[in-house]
Amino acid sequence: EDKVVQSPLSLVVHEGDTVTLNCSYEVTNFRSLLWYKQEKKAPTFLFMLTSSGIEKKSGRLSSILDKKELFSILNITATQTGDSAVYLCASLPPNDYKLSFGAGTTVTVRA
Amino acid sequence: GAGVSQTPSNKVTEKGKYVELRCDPISGHTALYWYRQSLGQGPEFLIYFQGTGAADDSGLPNDRFFAVRPEGSVSTLKIQRTERGDSAVYLCASSLTGRLGQETQYFGPGTRLLVL
Repeated sequence: EDKVVQSPLSLVVHEGDTVTLNCSYEVTNFRSLLWYKQEKKAPTFLFMLTSSGIEKKSGRLSSILDKKELFSILNITATQTGDSAVYLCASLPPNDYKLSFGAGTTVTVRA
Repeated sequence: GAGVSQTPSNKVTEKGKYVELRCDPISGHTALYWYRQSLGQGPEFLIYFQGTGAADDSGLPNDRFFAVRPEGSVSTLKIQRTERGDSAVYLCASSLTGRLGQETQYFGPGTRLLVL
């Protein structure tokens, strides 16, 4: 059974800190890994990663995929209170549409 | 519309009642998905529509759950004889074509269902 594990489960940082979130996956077939930010209820798309070693960047957020070691990291630099959310990662198989999500990492940024 | 919308945002019902949850996907998106998210967990797949037809309903937990998408746009998730264990956030997502393994799914704000 496909398994996506995120760590840590939660963390608390202060504004300006950098956070690194981890996502490891054990899947029989892998095509892409997606990151979402979930505030309240709606998961908002951040990144889709398909190729190993290529960093994707959007403002203060960046993410990279390591297909050999089967993990991805999401970095947030110069954190702001608005970054407080649950960050979800999900694997997407090549011939499927079902996202398999991890349980998420809850990030709390204190002013 | 600009994004996926879902109504109601919150629904409280009593055990044994029937509920309907509505999803309006992004305009032009042919693929629509329902997921369920329990507290402290990631979303879990329920059903996938390609156009009007349910291409995959393998994630529906039992026959009390049913979903329709009669005109290939708005979808309704229907739950009969609700149980307390059905309490969760029900998320809807859509993508442009449903191309396997390649498309980003965009999520709506969800409906938080509480069964008393």
